[in-house]
Formats: sequence, structure tokens, C-alpha cells
Amino acid sequence: EVQLVESGGGFIHTGGSLRLSCAASGFTFSSYAMTWVRHSPGKGREWVAVVSGSGGMTYYADSARGRFTISRDNSKNTIYLQMNSLRAEDSAIYYCAKVMVRGVIFRLFDSWGQGTRVSVSS
Amino acid sequence: QLVLTQSPSATASLGASVRLTCTLDSGHNSFTVAWHQQQPEKGPRFLMKVDHDGSHSKGDGIPDRFSGSSSGAERYLTISSLQSEDEADYFCQTWGSGIWVFGGGTRLTVL
Repeated sequence: EVQLVESGGGFIHTGGSLRLSCAASGFTFSSYAMTWVRHSPGKGREWVAVVSGSGGMTYYADSARGRFTISRDNSKNTIYLQMNSLRAEDSAIYYCAKVMVRGVIFRLFDSWGQGTRVSVSS
Repeated sequence: QLVLTQSPSATASLGASVRLTCTLDSGHNSFTVAWHQQQPEKGPRFLMKVDHDGSHSKGDGIPDRFSGSSSGAERYLTISSLQSEDEADYFCQTWGSGIWVFGGGTRLTVL
């Protein structure tokens, strides 16, 4: 059974940094691209970033590019989201999700974590 | 621009059926979408993907009560024999041009 467990969320002041983690199990981790998606009442659900199975390719939403960095450690079956220069509008629940198809980046998602809440305020 | 549109709410009775709709913008009406369910205070759960021809493939353990279909730019999720635990937010997803997009979600209330 696929399991994705996020951690690292919390309260942070505007301009601060936070690192989220997502620990995965139940599948051949290095074969699948992994993503971060956030959900807030004001903006709805928004894709944030994706990393390929090897970690060699990353893509970002416009709102994340230049401030956030997605990475993975396949020896630990974990992906990360380093978030810098945080703004109030980054406040959301952040979910990691698994891409459906082995070896491909741009496909639908078939597994999600339970989420970790990030609150950014001055 | 890739856009998915959903009605914000739906209501149906226990034991009845309900069909939820996700509409693709006209420029992307052949795209495949995924349907996900999010119960209160839980992470999302993948239900199925629905292709433009109406074929669909469900996630592991998804009951037969859940089915998918398609017509033009619309992708449907039908839930039959509604149960109280079906009360949740249902949202659709697709991808294109290097991004993923989500519908706004439909909050289903089961009376």
C-alpha cells in the first residue's frame, strides 16, 4: 500500500523559510516523479512543483519559481520542499502526491499524503 | 488556458445516485481528467481517471458504486447507492503544457 507522510509545516513569519518533507513507502520510489500541491481557501488547489524520479529534472509553478526548491533523496524515500521568502499568500495545506506512471513526469496523480499546514503571517 | 470548471455544491439523498460534472475549456476538450475525493480532515484519495471517450480506470479499492463517463468537454463522476461516508469534496485534475490544474471542487452533501 502506498503511503505518503508529510511533515515540517508550522507557523512562520513573512520572509522566513521552511522545509517540508514527504516520506514515501509501498512503491519503487525512485521510479516515480513526485509533486507538491497546496490548498488554501482563497486560491483553491494549486500545483507547486514536481521532481523526476532520479531528481534530475524539476519544474515549478510561476508562484513558486525562484523561491521554492523541490528535491528528493532516493536513499531515504523522501522528497523535500524548501520554501524561502515566504509570503502570507503561501499559507495553505501542502500535500505531496505521486505521479501515476512510472518514468514519466507529466501525468495524473494517484496517491496523496494527509498534508501539512503552513501558516505565514507578519 | 487550461481550465476545469465544477459546480461548488451538490446534494443528494442517502441511497440515491448523483452525477458530478467537470468541464474542460473548449481548447482542451479531449483531455483526460482524474477524479479525487477529499473527506473532511483527510488527504485526497484518487478515485479514477476518465478519458475523452468515456473509458475510465479506477484506483485500488474504489467500490463499484463509483463510475466515470464523458460527453464532449464534460467528464462525469457518478456515485450510486450513496452512503454517508460519500459526503466529501470531489475535485478533478488534468495536466498540459507543463502544468497541472484542478477544478474548484464540488462539496457533496448526503441527506
